[in-house]
Amino acid sequence: DTAVSQTPKYLVTQMGNDKSIKCEQNLGHDTMYWYKQDSKKFLKIMFSYNNKELIINETVPNRFSPKSPDKAHLNLHINSLELGDSAVYFCASSATGGAQHFGDGTRLSIL
Amino acid sequence: AQRVTQPEKLLSVFKGAPVELKCNYSYSGSPELFWYVQYSRQRLQLLLRHISRESIKGFTADLNKGETSFHLKKPFAQEEDSAMYYCALASGGYQKVTFGTGTKLQVIP
Repeated sequence: DTAVSQTPKYLVTQMGNDKSIKCEQNLGHDTMYWYKQDSKKFLKIMFSYNNKELIINETVPNRFSPKSPDKAHLNLHINSLELGDSAVYFCASSATGGAQHFGDGTRLSIL
Repeated sequence: AQRVTQPEKLLSVFKGAPVELKCNYSYSGSPELFWYVQYSRQRLQLLLRHISRESIKGFTADLNKGETSFHLKKPFAQEEDSAMYYCALASGGYQKVTFGTGTKLQVIP
């Protein structure tokens, strides 16, 4: 069973559209994260959620909004997509004091 | 503020040669440090963490608080070690994580 799964794996869309990426973890972890990996492979944390509460909200545009319906899910909504949003987005989860487990990533391409 | 620096973007070594991937950090408290590896087009996965003091796939890393470093080492590189390696620092109950910019390791046959 996949521990951290995110869908879709590939997302190709046009500028200005609104899209969502879903993430689910079956590890029983307390905290979930979203990361953005750009074309240079830089990895930057965007959000983390602990027990449905936003813990960190890095300086990302407010077009990005995380939504957590329960402890096992953390979805990422993106409004008014821009060219610069093209990247690979990784979801991750961790237990308190534990290392992070990552999903396979969602490759977002903006046309 | 916490910071993680990986000074090398690319490190090329020959198969069988020793490998050292550098990682320096800046943090006022007691850091929790990790190395993650990302093979081509795959997810990031934990390689090792300093509190475990273990060796994974022949890699080791020792936390040097005096030099604020957590370099990753392997005595003999293998072709399958070619990947991106990220050093990471966690604080605040592991809810604040900072990754370095990554080092691409290329092992030449």
